[in-house]
Amino acid sequence: GESVGLHLPTLSVQEGDNSIINCAYSNSASDYFIWYKQESGKGPQFIIDIRSNMDKRQGQRVTVLLNKTVKHLSLQIAATQPGDSAVYFCAESFIQGAQKLVFGQGTRLTINP
Amino acid sequence: GAGVSQSPSNKVTEKGKDVELRCDPISGHTALYWYRQSLGQGLEFLIYFQGNSAPDKSGLPSDRFSAERTGGSVSTLTIQRTQQEDSAVYLCASSLTSGNGDQYFGAGTRLSVL
Repeated sequence: GESVGLHLPTLSVQEGDNSIINCAYSNSASDYFIWYKQESGKGPQFIIDIRSNMDKRQGQRVTVLLNKTVKHLSLQIAATQPGDSAVYFCAESFIQGAQKLVFGQGTRLTINP
Repeated sequence: GAGVSQSPSNKVTEKGKDVELRCDPISGHTALYWYRQSLGQGLEFLIYFQGNSAPDKSGLPSDRFSAERTGGSVSTLTIQRTQQEDSAVYLCASSLTSGNGDQYFGAGTRLSVL
């Protein structure tokens, strides 16, 4: 069946360093991908998205890379801050209409002071 | 309101009891979703409402689960004859039908079945 998975369940980085979180997806028909951040006790919060006609998109301190050939997605966070500590999920969907999201298992990112 | 609101924030119930979880989406959002998040896991899609269309119920795990959306706004997720494996955080999200999948999530209801 369709699935989205993450390579690493946990990641620790030093404050100020860059971090990279990876994700693999299996549905080649998906054309819309989103990264969410979830802090303890809260719902997921949208970070950045990318459509399948792009291979890179940048936001504030975050960059998402999409490699459709190998069905791989990554989230890069630059100059990490303590507030970046959270669980990060990738999700896949379709651009056409509002669609359900298929989520990966999540990666817990810990920023060490 | 400013965001998606869910109630109660926590619910403890006994095995076999029925529970109702409520979601108030962002005003103007026509799409509403329910997901379930088990401890340490990703989110599992349950059901999706889009305007006046028939809901997509493909993610409901059993016939003990049902959901309604009244007046195109508030939604209630009902779990009948709860089981211990139903214990999870139930998250609601809403979105505009602008062609993107950007969904805004509530804080969830943590359900514990004893």
